[in-house]
Amino acid sequence: DVKVTQSSRYLVKRTGEKVFLECVQDMDHENMFWYRQDPGLGLRLIYFSYDVKMKEKGDIPEGYSVSREKKERFSLILESASTNQTSMYLCASTTGLAGGPGYNEQFFGPGTRLTVL
Amino acid sequence: LAKTTQPISMDSYEGQEVNITCSHNNIATNDYITWYQQFPSQGPRFIIQGYKTKVTNEVASLFIPADRKSSTLSLPRVSLSDTAVYYCLVGDVNYGQNFVFGPGTRLSVLP
Repeated sequence: DVKVTQSSRYLVKRTGEKVFLECVQDMDHENMFWYRQDPGLGLRLIYFSYDVKMKEKGDIPEGYSVSREKKERFSLILESASTNQTSMYLCASTTGLAGGPGYNEQFFGPGTRLTVL
Repeated sequence: LAKTTQPISMDSYEGQEVNITCSHNNIATNDYITWYQQFPSQGPRFIIQGYKTKVTNEVASLFIPADRKSSTLSLPRVSLSDTAVYYCLVGDVNYGQNFVFGPGTRLSVLP
């Protein structure tokens, strides 16, 4: 059974803290993504990666950075957390074979609900 | 990128057929349409994908008219367990950040 796991289901942090969200996939997928999900706004892409040490900005990268040192792991970093980053964060992965992420099935993790106080 | 719109919410009763429409007026030639289902406290999961005409699998059907400016996800005889948020995604078959999720439709199935 394919799996995308995220390090925490719930996280509470204080304003100004550095926050790490970890995502691991066991499908040997080339592509990995970080989204945030807010009521009424759907899924918005923060960053994505097509390969190890490669990253591309998505639609809302401000206030975030990412790291991909190994193929299976993709980390989202909030350098200095703010209250407007309170949200649900979802990680996803897809194969890089025969098409791009708009075509290949995206496999999602369960999400991390982050609250910044 | 094809901007997508969906109804915010829909209600249905058990045993009914539900149709959820996604509008994507400026869809491109290389774009495919994919639908995802998300239950509370879970990530979205793939339901069905199509390019044109009709696609059917064991879970749903997807209808795409000839102009491809909209698509309709059809769920036959829904049950309470079909209560979820449904997202359409329009995306280029090729590489790049050429994909966008719709805002999602919250389907509530009532007994």
